[in-house]
Amino acid sequence: QVQLVQSGAEVKKPGASVKVSCTASGYTFINYYIHWVRQAPGQGLEYMGILYPSGGRTSYAQKFQGRLTMTRDTSTSTVYMELGSLRSEDTAVYYCAREPSETYRFDYWGQGTLVIVSS
Amino acid sequence: QSALTQPASVSGSPGQSITISCTGTSSDVGGFNYVSWFQQHPGKAPKLLIYDVTDRPSGVSNRFSGSKSGNTASLTISGLQAEDEADYYCSSYTRSFTYVFGTGTRVTVL
Repeated sequence: QVQLVQSGAEVKKPGASVKVSCTASGYTFINYYIHWVRQAPGQGLEYMGILYPSGGRTSYAQKFQGRLTMTRDTSTSTVYMELGSLRSEDTAVYYCAREPSETYRFDYWGQGTLVIVSS
Repeated sequence: QSALTQPASVSGSPGQSITISCTGTSSDVGGFNYVSWFQQHPGKAPKLLIYDVTDRPSGVSNRFSGSKSGNTASLTISGLQAEDEADYYCSSYTRSFTYVFGTGTRVTVL
């Protein structure tokens, strides 16, 4: 069965970086795009960006450009999301989500990773 | 990119039908038929309910249906059940080659 399993919760200080992983199983990794979405406590969903696993190309929402980096390791079917220059407003649950190529829908989601930014 | 506008809350009695609206612009909802709806229970990841405005993934109840008119998309839940109590979010592909989510709607079953 399709699974996206994310790494565990993190606590970071302001100004630091965090790297969250999303490991895929149950399908052919390179045939599905991976998106990242975050949700601050008690707030709505916010789109962050996309990684195309076959070639590693990325596209980030304008809000995160300059401090967001997405990478992948095809040998382990894992996508990484690294967010730098953390501030308290980055405290959120971060989700990865899968898109079947060029279908514009997020059909499976990871369980979420809580990132807390606090001094 | 501003979030799509949804009502903060909608409620209904068991068995009733409710509709949640999702209003955007011609650069997102009105410009593409790539509107999705998600259900999110507390502490859980979102679950895809509707994609491409009207389509349901395999396994999703046919009590959930979607539609669109101009810049506004809608999700209708028919035969409301206690398990439908959750947060609901719309999303749309945009002219900026990115995605935008709605503000979210809390559905309460009375």
